[in-house]
Amino acid sequence: GAGVSQSPSNKVTEKGKDVELRCDPISGHTALYWYRQSLGQGLEFLIYFQGNSAPDKSGLPSDRFSAERTGGSVSTLTIQRTQQEDSAVYLCASQTRGGYEQYFGPGTRLTVT
Amino acid sequence: KQEVTQIPAALSVPEGENLVLNCSFTDSAIYNLQWFRQDPGKGLTSLLLIQSSQREQTSGRLNASLDKSSGRSTLYIAASQPGDSATYLCAVDSGANSKLTFGKGITLSVRP
Repeated sequence: GAGVSQSPSNKVTEKGKDVELRCDPISGHTALYWYRQSLGQGLEFLIYFQGNSAPDKSGLPSDRFSAERTGGSVSTLTIQRTQQEDSAVYLCASQTRGGYEQYFGPGTRLTVT
Repeated sequence: KQEVTQIPAALSVPEGENLVLNCSFTDSAIYNLQWFRQDPGKGLTSLLLIQSSQREQTSGRLNASLDKSSGRSTLYIAASQPGDSATYLCAVDSGANSKLTFGKGITLSVRP
């Protein structure tokens, strides 16, 4: 079946602009995660959604970052007033309820100029 | 706070060599540990997942072991091939919503 998909694959934006990144999880997966992979920082957790429960936003680096998940499926990560330090690869992963393995999408490479 | 370390950051070996990639973590209270492979410009591919109650998992030429009490895991690659060249990441699930804590990865180059 189809894996996790993300769009766009690449995004170049000017400092100060807002961006939206999209994630389509594997059908039927109830859990969805966003991670960020920065040069020299490795992969860091951003936010977690599980079904209709309140999301775990503990990894979001600032209030410029927000995410939503509509209908328990597609998720959008929004970064407002982008800064150069936001440049990174943003990865999305999904997981079945009660499952252990996380399945990752190909990522969106964000470059803020 | 859980911290995951992978040393060295890069490794170059000749084709055919058996090799071991190391991962250490600071908090032994984990649910599971996962090894991933990442090719340049690509996402993560899950290789092996070891539950906290398990000692090892095997898939083809790959074998991953877990020693929870000492906070260590190893990924053993047998008879390495140039196609194994990639970055290998270790990630720990400490149970808080299963969010993973990653090491920075080991970039492996297998020379023909």
